[in-house]
Amino acid sequence: SQTIHQWPATLVQPVGSPLSLECTVEGTSNPNLYWYRQAAGRGLQLLFYSIGIDQISSEVPQNLSASRPQDRQFILSSKKLLLSDSGFYLCAWSGLAVGELFFGEGSRLTVL
Amino acid sequence: KNQVEQSPQSLIILEGKNCTLQCNYTVSPFSNLRWYKQDTGRGPVSLTIMTFSENTKSNGRYTATLDADTKQSSLHITASQLSDSASYICVVSAASGTYKYIFGTGTRLKVLA
Repeated sequence: SQTIHQWPATLVQPVGSPLSLECTVEGTSNPNLYWYRQAAGRGLQLLFYSIGIDQISSEVPQNLSASRPQDRQFILSSKKLLLSDSGFYLCAWSGLAVGELFFGEGSRLTVL
Repeated sequence: KNQVEQSPQSLIILEGKNCTLQCNYTVSPFSNLRWYKQDTGRGPVSLTIMTFSENTKSNGRYTATLDADTKQSSLHITASQLSDSASYICVVSAASGTYKYIFGTGTRLKVLA
Protein backbone atom coordinates (compact mmCIF):
# COMPACT_ATOMS: atom_id res chain seq x y z
CA SER A 1 0.00 0.00 0.00
CA GLN A 2 1.02 3.59 -0.50
CA THR A 3 2.28 5.73 2.34
CA ILE A 4 3.47 9.29 2.62
CA HIS A 5 5.99 10.50 5.15
CA GLN A 6 6.60 14.12 6.04
CA TRP A 7 9.11 15.59 8.46
CA PRO A 8 9.87 17.28 10.73
CA ALA A 9 6.50 17.33 12.48
CA THR A 10 7.24 20.58 14.28
CA LEU A 11 9.83 23.25 13.73
CA VAL A 12 10.61 26.54 15.46
CA GLN A 13 12.93 28.80 13.51
CA PRO A 14 14.14 32.39 13.86
CA VAL A 15 13.39 34.96 11.19
CA GLY A 16 16.01 34.87 8.45
CA SER A 17 16.98 31.25 8.98
CA PRO A 18 16.71 28.59 6.24
CA LEU A 19 14.01 25.96 5.96
CA SER A 20 13.84 22.45 4.63
CA LEU A 21 10.75 20.27 4.88
CA GLU A 22 10.89 16.82 3.34
CA CYS A 23 8.26 14.49 2.00
CA THR A 24 8.57 10.99 0.57
CA VAL A 25 5.99 8.68 -0.92
CA GLU A 26 6.25 4.90 -0.88
CA GLY A 27 4.40 2.24 -2.79
CA THR A 28 3.71 4.13 -6.00
CA SER A 29 5.55 5.44 -9.02
CA ASN A 30 5.32 8.78 -10.81
CA PRO A 31 3.06 10.42 -8.25
CA ASN A 32 1.87 13.98 -8.59
CA LEU A 33 3.24 15.81 -5.55
CA TYR A 34 1.95 18.89 -3.79
CA TRP A 35 2.88 21.31 -1.01
CA TYR A 36 0.06 23.13 0.76
CA ARG A 37 0.01 25.66 3.57
CA GLN A 38 -2.86 25.91 6.01
CA ALA A 39 -3.21 29.08 8.06
CA ALA A 40 -5.28 28.92 11.22
CA GLY A 41 -9.00 28.91 10.42
CA ARG A 42 -8.40 29.08 6.69
CA GLY A 43 -8.46 26.69 3.79
CA LEU A 44 -5.50 24.99 2.25
CA GLN A 45 -3.39 27.10 -0.07
CA LEU A 46 -1.53 25.34 -2.86
CA LEU A 47 2.12 26.36 -2.90
CA PHE A 48 3.74 23.99 -5.40
CA TYR A 49 2.82 20.97 -7.43
CA SER A 50 4.92 18.60 -9.48
CA ILE A 51 3.89 16.11 -12.13
CA GLY A 52 7.41 14.75 -12.56
CA ILE A 53 11.07 15.29 -11.79
CA ASP A 54 12.15 18.78 -12.88
CA GLN A 55 8.50 19.69 -13.46
CA ILE A 56 7.50 21.96 -10.59
CA SER A 57 4.91 24.69 -10.78
CA SER A 58 4.54 27.49 -8.30
CA GLU A 59 1.07 28.76 -7.52
CA VAL A 60 1.90 31.63 -5.19
CA PRO A 61 4.94 33.90 -5.51
CA GLN A 62 6.85 33.97 -2.24
CA ASN A 63 10.22 33.27 -0.70
CA LEU A 64 9.66 29.51 -0.72
CA SER A 65 10.93 27.04 -3.30
CA ALA A 66 10.39 23.38 -4.01
CA SER A 67 12.54 20.65 -5.48
CA ARG A 68 12.01 17.06 -6.52
CA PRO A 69 15.40 15.33 -6.46
CA GLN A 70 13.85 11.89 -6.87
CA ASP A 71 10.57 10.59 -8.26
CA ARG A 72 9.00 10.15 -4.83
CA GLN A 73 10.72 12.90 -2.87
CA PHE A 74 9.50 16.47 -2.59
CA ILE A 75 11.30 19.17 -0.62
CA LEU A 76 10.08 22.60 0.45
CA SER A 77 12.81 25.13 1.14
CA SER A 78 13.48 28.71 2.02
CA LYS A 79 16.75 30.60 2.23
CA LYS A 80 15.42 33.18 4.69
CA LEU A 81 12.23 32.67 6.64
CA LEU A 82 9.73 35.44 7.29
CA LEU A 83 7.29 35.71 10.17
CA SER A 84 4.48 35.23 7.66
CA ASP A 85 5.86 31.81 6.75
CA SER A 86 4.52 30.40 10.01
CA GLY A 87 1.80 27.83 9.44
CA PHE A 88 0.91 24.22 8.96
CA TYR A 89 2.49 22.70 5.86
CA LEU A 90 1.06 19.64 4.21
CA CYS A 91 2.60 17.43 1.58
CA ALA A 92 0.24 15.40 -0.59
CA TRP A 93 0.33 13.02 -3.51
CA SER A 94 -2.12 11.86 -6.13
CA GLY A 95 -2.07 9.17 -8.76
CA LEU A 96 -3.48 9.27 -12.25
CA ALA A 97 -6.79 7.52 -11.54
CA VAL A 98 -9.65 9.81 -10.51
CA GLY A 99 -7.19 12.07 -8.73
CA GLU A 100 -7.67 11.12 -5.11
CA LEU A 101 -5.40 13.22 -2.92
CA PHE A 102 -3.50 11.69 0.00
CA PHE A 103 -1.94 13.87 2.68
CA GLY A 104 1.03 13.56 4.96
CA GLU A 105 0.77 14.25 8.67
CA GLY A 106 1.84 17.86 8.31
CA SER A 107 4.66 20.06 9.62
CA ARG A 108 3.96 22.86 12.06
CA LEU A 109 6.36 25.75 11.42
CA THR A 110 6.67 28.64 13.85
CA VAL A 111 8.88 31.52 12.84
CA LEU A 112 9.91 33.78 15.74
CA LYS B 1 -13.99 31.84 -10.45
CA ASN B 2 -13.70 28.34 -8.99
CA GLN B 3 -14.87 28.40 -5.39
CA VAL B 4 -15.99 26.02 -2.67
CA GLU B 5 -18.05 27.33 0.23
CA GLN B 6 -18.88 25.37 3.34
CA SER B 7 -21.43 25.95 6.04
CA PRO B 8 -21.68 26.24 8.91
CA GLN B 9 -18.18 27.41 9.85
CA SER B 10 -18.51 25.66 13.19
CA LEU B 11 -20.97 23.36 14.87
CA ILE B 12 -21.42 21.98 18.36
CA ILE B 13 -23.60 18.94 18.95
CA LEU B 14 -24.19 16.42 21.70
CA GLU B 15 -22.85 12.92 21.43
CA GLY B 16 -25.30 10.61 19.73
CA LYS B 17 -26.96 13.32 17.68
CA ASN B 18 -26.92 13.57 13.90
CA CYS B 19 -25.66 16.53 11.91
CA THR B 20 -25.36 17.67 8.32
CA LEU B 21 -22.59 19.77 6.82
CA GLN B 22 -23.05 21.67 3.57
CA CYS B 23 -20.78 22.36 0.61
CA ASN B 24 -21.63 24.57 -2.38
CA TYR B 25 -19.26 24.86 -5.29
CA THR B 26 -18.77 26.80 -8.48
CA VAL B 27 -16.11 24.67 -10.12
CA SER B 28 -16.12 24.05 -13.83
CA PRO B 29 -15.53 21.70 -15.46
CA PHE B 30 -16.35 19.46 -12.52
CA SER B 31 -14.43 16.24 -12.02
CA ASN B 32 -15.15 14.95 -8.54
CA LEU B 33 -15.87 15.97 -4.96
CA ARG B 34 -14.32 14.69 -1.78
CA TRP B 35 -14.96 15.08 1.89
CA TYR B 36 -11.99 14.96 4.25
CA LYS B 37 -11.77 14.76 8.01
CA GLN B 38 -8.91 16.64 9.64
CA ASP B 39 -8.11 16.14 13.28
CA THR B 40 -6.35 19.05 14.96
CA GLY B 41 -2.67 19.12 14.03
CA ARG B 42 -2.97 16.20 11.61
CA GLY B 43 -3.23 15.77 7.87
CA PRO B 44 -6.67 15.44 6.26
CA VAL B 45 -7.99 11.92 5.71
CA SER B 46 -10.41 11.10 2.91
CA LEU B 47 -13.94 10.06 3.89
CA THR B 48 -15.67 9.86 0.51
CA ILE B 49 -15.08 10.69 -3.12
CA MET B 50 -17.86 11.15 -5.68
CA THR B 51 -17.99 11.78 -9.39
CA PHE B 52 -20.82 13.71 -11.08
CA SER B 53 -22.77 10.50 -11.74
CA GLU B 54 -22.91 9.51 -8.07
CA ASN B 55 -25.69 10.88 -5.84
CA THR B 56 -24.75 9.33 -2.53
CA LYS B 57 -21.90 7.44 -0.95
CA SER B 58 -21.52 6.09 2.55
CA ASN B 59 -18.54 5.33 4.74
CA GLY B 60 -19.75 3.91 8.03
CA ARG B 61 -21.64 6.64 9.88
CA TYR B 62 -20.71 9.19 7.20
CA THR B 63 -22.99 9.66 4.20
CA ALA B 64 -22.20 12.14 1.46
CA THR B 65 -24.67 13.34 -1.14
CA LEU B 66 -24.05 15.20 -4.37
CA ASP B 67 -26.42 17.20 -6.53
CA ALA B 68 -24.47 18.08 -9.66
CA ASP B 69 -27.33 20.20 -11.00
CA THR B 70 -27.42 22.57 -8.04
CA LYS B 71 -23.71 22.08 -7.34
CA GLN B 72 -24.31 21.16 -3.74
CA SER B 73 -23.01 18.41 -1.52
CA SER B 74 -23.74 17.45 2.05
CA LEU B 75 -22.05 15.25 4.61
CA HIS B 76 -24.36 13.62 7.11
CA ILE B 77 -22.93 12.18 10.30
CA THR B 78 -25.14 9.71 12.12
CA ALA B 79 -25.01 8.96 15.85
CA SER B 80 -22.06 11.26 16.44
CA GLN B 81 -19.18 10.21 18.66
CA LEU B 82 -16.61 12.25 20.55
CA SER B 83 -14.02 11.14 18.00
CA ASP B 84 -15.98 12.91 15.26
CA SER B 85 -14.74 16.22 16.66
CA ALA B 86 -12.61 17.56 13.83
CA SER B 87 -12.67 19.84 10.81
CA TYR B 88 -14.46 18.55 7.73
CA ILE B 89 -13.20 19.83 4.43
CA CYS B 90 -14.96 19.71 1.07
CA VAL B 91 -12.61 19.51 -1.91
CA VAL B 92 -13.69 19.78 -5.53
CA SER B 93 -11.50 18.80 -8.45
CA ALA B 94 -11.54 20.68 -11.70
CA ALA B 95 -11.21 18.46 -14.73
CA SER B 96 -7.91 19.74 -15.95
CA GLY B 97 -4.64 18.08 -16.79
CA THR B 98 -2.94 19.43 -13.70
CA TYR B 99 -5.42 17.99 -11.23
CA LYS B 100 -6.53 21.26 -9.68
CA TYR B 101 -8.09 20.85 -6.24
CA ILE B 102 -10.27 23.62 -4.83
CA PHE B 103 -10.64 23.53 -1.05
CA GLY B 104 -13.39 24.80 1.16
CA THR B 105 -12.40 26.44 4.45
CA GLY B 106 -13.97 23.60 6.40
CA THR B 107 -16.57 23.12 9.10
CA ARG B 108 -15.24 22.72 12.61
CA LEU B 109 -17.35 20.15 14.45
CA LYS B 110 -17.23 19.66 18.19
CA VAL B 111 -19.09 16.76 19.78
CA LEU B 112 -19.81 17.11 23.48
CA ALA B 113 -20.43 14.31 25.95
